[in-house]
Amino acid sequence: AQRVTQPEKLLSVFKGAPVELKCNYSYSGSPELFWYVQYSRQRLQLLLRHISRESIKGFTADLNKGETSFHLKKPFAQEEDSAMYYCALPGQNFVFGPGTRLSVLP
Amino acid sequence: GAVVSQHPSWVICKSGTSVKIECRSLDFQATTMFWYRQFPKQSLMLMATSNEGSKATYEQGVEKDKFLINHASLTLSTLTVTSAHPEDSSFYICSANGHYGNQPQHFGDGTRLSIL
Repeated sequence: AQRVTQPEKLLSVFKGAPVELKCNYSYSGSPELFWYVQYSRQRLQLLLRHISRESIKGFTADLNKGETSFHLKKPFAQEEDSAMYYCALPGQNFVFGPGTRLSVLP
Repeated sequence: GAVVSQHPSWVICKSGTSVKIECRSLDFQATTMFWYRQFPKQSLMLMATSNEGSKATYEQGVEKDKFLINHASLTLSTLTVTSAHPEDSSFYICSANGHYGNQPQHFGDGTRLSIL
């Protein structure tokens, strides 16, 4: 069965510090994963997808099939990065992780 | 980019009434739309998958007679909360993609439903 876990409900870092939001998945097959971001009072929006291998707003994520992980990383966090981040796994259904609230402190 | 419009954005109504929420894909045809429910400070919970021209597929524990879904065209899906009660108060979000398979979802702004 598809499953996505995000072990941290809340992650607080200081501005300029590196940040890593963890995501692990279980899926039988070759997965394609996404990271979605929801800023305060805004709609959920796609941040990045592993297949595109691009960096959006300084964030990157690498799919590690051995560890079944798709952690989101940014070397230098900014205050405007404060938001809810959801890891998602498409398939028969679209499954979201529980989300991690990132708080970047000044 | 692809836009999904959801209406209304906020609705308050009395217990026992039925409420219809619309989800439209504005610049693309959506063969599949998804309806989610989000409780405060919690993640999205998939309620059902809406397929154009066929019956919706409901997730376990979601009452299909309570949450009626109609996907009559490639650009419109509706969710009707029938005989709504205070426990149905929540944030409902729809999303859509235009293709089968692993495509990213485009989300509506959500509808905040408050049942008095």
